[in-house]
Amino acid sequence: DSGVTQTPKHLITATGQRVTLRCSPRSGDLSVYWYQQSLDQGLQFLIQYYNGEERAKGNILERFSAQQFPDLHSELNLSSLELGDSALYFCASSGGLAGGPDSYEQYFGPGTRLTVT
Amino acid sequence: LAKTTQPISMDSYEGQEVNITCSHNNIATNDYITWYQQFPSQGPRFIIQGYKTKVTNEVASLFIPADRKSSTLSLPRVSLSDTAVYYCLVSRADSWGKLQFGAGTQVVVTP
Repeated sequence: DSGVTQTPKHLITATGQRVTLRCSPRSGDLSVYWYQQSLDQGLQFLIQYYNGEERAKGNILERFSAQQFPDLHSELNLSSLELGDSALYFCASSGGLAGGPDSYEQYFGPGTRLTVT
Repeated sequence: LAKTTQPISMDSYEGQEVNITCSHNNIATNDYITWYQQFPSQGPRFIIQGYKTKVTNEVASLFIPADRKSSTLSLPRVSLSDTAVYYCLVSRADSWGKLQFGAGTQVVVTP
């Protein structure tokens, strides 16, 4: 158990819909990261927040957005869903100084499996 | 960021030592080398990280030669539960923890 929780575990929805994935980081971790893992693209970094502020962006589509709340939990919003958005979405957290070497020791949650039909 | 190259797959028997070598020829001065393990349908798990020479923890050892253009993850006495995908990552200190995963190495341990 990494200490990172994600809900829901599974999500099945239709094309064009909008969903919200939720993540609670490990106690005390200020950094939260979102990753997408699909069969064709592998594991891809989406976005990072540190203490409520966006710090780094990866290959995140404009239809996707995220935020980190004052209690440090984070939500990833996916809208206008397409079949290709079907994937495992992982949240991770890390401690230490943002951007320092400690930030590469990330603790991943169990993931949310999104299926778009 | 430096591109990494590692074997697609490796097979081993229980009790043997497994060494996975990763090539990162364009590694920069500020870059760190990090290894993760992933089981099917689970999130990756941090194994070890290093900058130079050798790092050892309770799970693995990481060997980094002086030129840092490669690194070797050593898993001592593997068991069936070590069957997983292992990722070698090169991360820059100013990239805010952005991990860039490649295809990884599928390690299969058999009895």
